[in-house]
Amino acid sequence: DAGITQSPRHKVTETGTPVTLRCHQTENHRYMYWYRQDPGHGLRLIHYSYGVKDTDKGEVSDGYSVSRSKTEDFLLTLESATSSQTSVYFCAIRIAGGPGGELFFGEGSRLTVL
Amino acid sequence: AQSVAQPEDQVNVAEGNPLTVKCTYSVSGNPYLFWYVQYPNRGLQFLLKYITGDNLVKGSYGFEAEFNKSQTSFHLKKPSALVSDSALYFCAVRPPTNTDKLIFGTGTRLQVFP
Repeated sequence: DAGITQSPRHKVTETGTPVTLRCHQTENHRYMYWYRQDPGHGLRLIHYSYGVKDTDKGEVSDGYSVSRSKTEDFLLTLESATSSQTSVYFCAIRIAGGPGGELFFGEGSRLTVL
Repeated sequence: AQSVAQPEDQVNVAEGNPLTVKCTYSVSGNPYLFWYVQYPNRGLQFLLKYITGDNLVKGSYGFEAEFNKSQTSFHLKKPSALVSDSALYFCAVRPPTNTDKLIFGTGTRLQVFP
């Protein structure tokens, strides 16, 4: 079973502060993703990575940056958090199998920006 | 634009009755289609997928889905609903023109009543 850990699981912060969410996988899956989940919007892709130092934007990337300096870790950074970034953030990895490979999700990180 | 639609925010069904959760998609070419389930305060769990071949796909927990190319649909079904099936269900599509991304619908809440 794919091991994927998100940290922190819960965070409350203030507008304007930087926030970093971490996603760690215990296997060497190439693809990693960050999504946000909001009522009425489902899951929306923020950024994804297809290898170390290889990342690309999703549909809601404004205000977010990512880094992947090693295979197992994918970091999501909010440089200056805003209330509109209050959400539940999910990391996912693509299980091997090419384009037909399904995603395996972490348990989520709930972020509240006051 | 590439998209997935789940036309029903909520589906209510009595235990023991068949259930259907609807999904339609809009992508060019032959898509890769997925269903996920989310229980409260948890990450998404993979249920089943359609890649190619038989239009009827069987997945976890007795769920199945039927791919209909002419109607661009991928409805999730189960012959006999259980109260424990109550959860949030997401349909997702991976376009053949951009297999890096997985696009999610807005979700359908399934409520199974005893």
